[in-house]
Amino acid sequence: DQQVKQNSPSLSVQEGRISILNCDYTNSMFDYFLWYKKYPAEGPTFLISISSIKDKNEDGRFTVFLNKSAKHLSLHIVPSQPGDSAVYFCAAIPGGATNKLIFGTGTLLAVQP
Amino acid sequence: DGGITQSPKYLFRKEGQNVTLSCEQNLNHDAMYWYRQDPGQGLRLIYYSQIVNDFQKGDIAEGYSVSREKKESFPLTVTSAQKNPTAFYLCASSNRDYGYTFGSGTRLTVV
Repeated sequence: DQQVKQNSPSLSVQEGRISILNCDYTNSMFDYFLWYKKYPAEGPTFLISISSIKDKNEDGRFTVFLNKSAKHLSLHIVPSQPGDSAVYFCAAIPGGATNKLIFGTGTLLAVQP
Repeated sequence: DGGITQSPKYLFRKEGQNVTLSCEQNLNHDAMYWYRQDPGQGLRLIYYSQIVNDFQKGDIAEGYSVSREKKESFPLTVTSAQKNPTAFYLCASSNRDYGYTFGSGTRLTVV
């Protein structure tokens, strides 16, 4: 039972354009969401996060939007750069006593020069 | 420099053998985690520990065991009961502010 879903396994974007990565979740009790970037054979690196009490968080070229009623979040990267090419995971924290992350299946982003 | 160290980076296991993956952190984080990555399945939680001498099963704990005798260390043993152990294993630690740090991973291959 996949609680966090990334329905697009891959995405290809031209350099300079906007990349939009999507993520859906099923548990309305999730109270914190994060996006990670991952290269092959390396650990994920943190990109940006958002609390469930907000609907937008921005950090440089990266913006995360949260739509709680739709149980949907998205990561916007603008402008996209070739160095952004990687697998992107969204993750959720259920809240309560633990901080364990529940990951989506990932989206492979390819930014074409 | 604070961080998480996983070793070895590559590990080969024969059928029927137990192997132990090392994870050490010097971030003074209370919580530590083990994840497994398979193609198309994201990262799945194997075990986690919120405090020394305590740990809980994650979503796919069968065939694995852990210990947490020291705050800095959270080794994972892949036992012969794990039917499909070939994967990329990631260790992580976190503080109370959701600040996660991941290690660089161990690639385990059964030969």
